[in-house]
Amino acid sequence: EPEVTQTPSHQVTQMGQEVILRCVPISNHLYFYWYRQILGQKVEFLVSFYNNEISEKSEIFDDQFSVERPDGSNFTLKIRSTKLEDSAMYFCVSLGVSYEQYFGPGTRLTVT
Amino acid sequence: AQSVTQLDSHVSVSEGTPVLLRCNYSSSYSPSLFWYVQHPNKGLQLLLKYTSAATLVKGINGFEAEFKKSETSFHLTKPSAHMSDAAEYFCVVSPAMGGYNKLIFGAGTRLAVHP
Repeated sequence: EPEVTQTPSHQVTQMGQEVILRCVPISNHLYFYWYRQILGQKVEFLVSFYNNEISEKSEIFDDQFSVERPDGSNFTLKIRSTKLEDSAMYFCVSLGVSYEQYFGPGTRLTVT
Repeated sequence: AQSVTQLDSHVSVSEGTPVLLRCNYSSSYSPSLFWYVQHPNKGLQLLLKYTSAATLVKGINGFEAEFKKSETSFHLTKPSAHMSDAAEYFCVVSPAMGGYNKLIFGAGTRLAVHP
């Protein structure tokens, strides 16, 4: 069964540093998303992406965040200057033809 | 606005007894509804989904859920709990049937299963 992959599985960075989280969605899917889950809290929507553009973004997704699909396969989330409160599990999701959202295994980001 | 309320943050059952995880939703549109499960240090796995077909939805691992529009509920049940069912369960709403809308998660219910 096809699956969404994410790298790295765990990223530790210092406050103020830039991080890039990478995802390889399922091929032939067209919609992509990032969600995050702060430890002990609910999963929150960050951004949706279609046709090389952001479709929708949440209040969390401020100017420090950006997404792109540079080569037609990878889908990345960049945080320009990380803050302590960015520590969370970040999930990449791709949308199948049955409108089912397939979650990747997540990248745990720890900002120190 | 759409929202999801999971009525219990923790549920504890004995192995072999029934499981009931409660969920109420609020949606301005005819929603899609989902249950996801998250085992410790794992990603999110879809258990089942409701998208306007039969109101009783069967999922994986013996779970099922019933969509009750009059009660705005989508409770998750299983006749007999197994130790491997211990996990965090999320009720999720998507604002409209099908489509590419974002998912809105409930706060989660942690299910403990005792021998």
